[in-house]
Amino acid sequence: NAGVTQTPKFQVLKTGQSMTLQCAQDMNHEYMSWYRQDPGMGLRLIHYSVGAGITDQGEVPNGYNVSRSTTEDFPLRLLSAAPSQTSVYFCASSYRGGGQPQHFGDGTRLSIL
Amino acid sequence: GQQLNQSPQSMFIQEGEDVSMNCTSSSIFNTWLWYKQDPGEGPVLLIALYKAGELTSNGRLTAQFGITRKDSFLNISASIPSDVGIYFCAGQLRGSNDYKLSFGAGTTVTVRA
Repeated sequence: NAGVTQTPKFQVLKTGQSMTLQCAQDMNHEYMSWYRQDPGMGLRLIHYSVGAGITDQGEVPNGYNVSRSTTEDFPLRLLSAAPSQTSVYFCASSYRGGGQPQHFGDGTRLSIL
Repeated sequence: GQQLNQSPQSMFIQEGEDVSMNCTSSSIFNTWLWYKQDPGEGPVLLIALYKAGELTSNGRLTAQFGITRKDSFLNISASIPSDVGIYFCAGQLRGSNDYKLSFGAGTTVTVRA
């Protein structure tokens, strides 16, 4: 049981490049979400999904796209990377339903030059 | 989503000490969660609280859901070196389809030399 798996663990991009951060969970969780973590700040929600085929914006969605074609996978796409997107990105999942604690992956550390 | 006010921002512990931290919000929540993050890893759930006034323990950790539903407290008793890390509080307002978490900026716990 791997839990929430994020790849890659580290990535360096040039401004304007695109890339996809991968997230997969094997717990059959309906709810999945992406957060970014910046120094001195708590985690901020980028996008989330309450089930396959359903996605919605969080607090800081600009510059990011998501899709949810399967229950297991929830990739995050940066279409044109900007230095302001340098951050640590965390994917989380939980059972659907209020109050269910979210389980986090180990993060992707992304630097945009 | 709003950011919660978490204090203190950082603290030094000496082995054997009891430590406390708290989290406040201008809005009410009906779920409070406490996570710990070690360097290079994702947050790990420590305690979940679902009811105003609830007091819940997990080993040497005790957390309380404030009676006003706008705050929560975490206590660590008899601290040990492996307690170092960043502790995050998170609040959730359970709605019909709303699973979003609002996070505090974290309390960094380090060992006093």
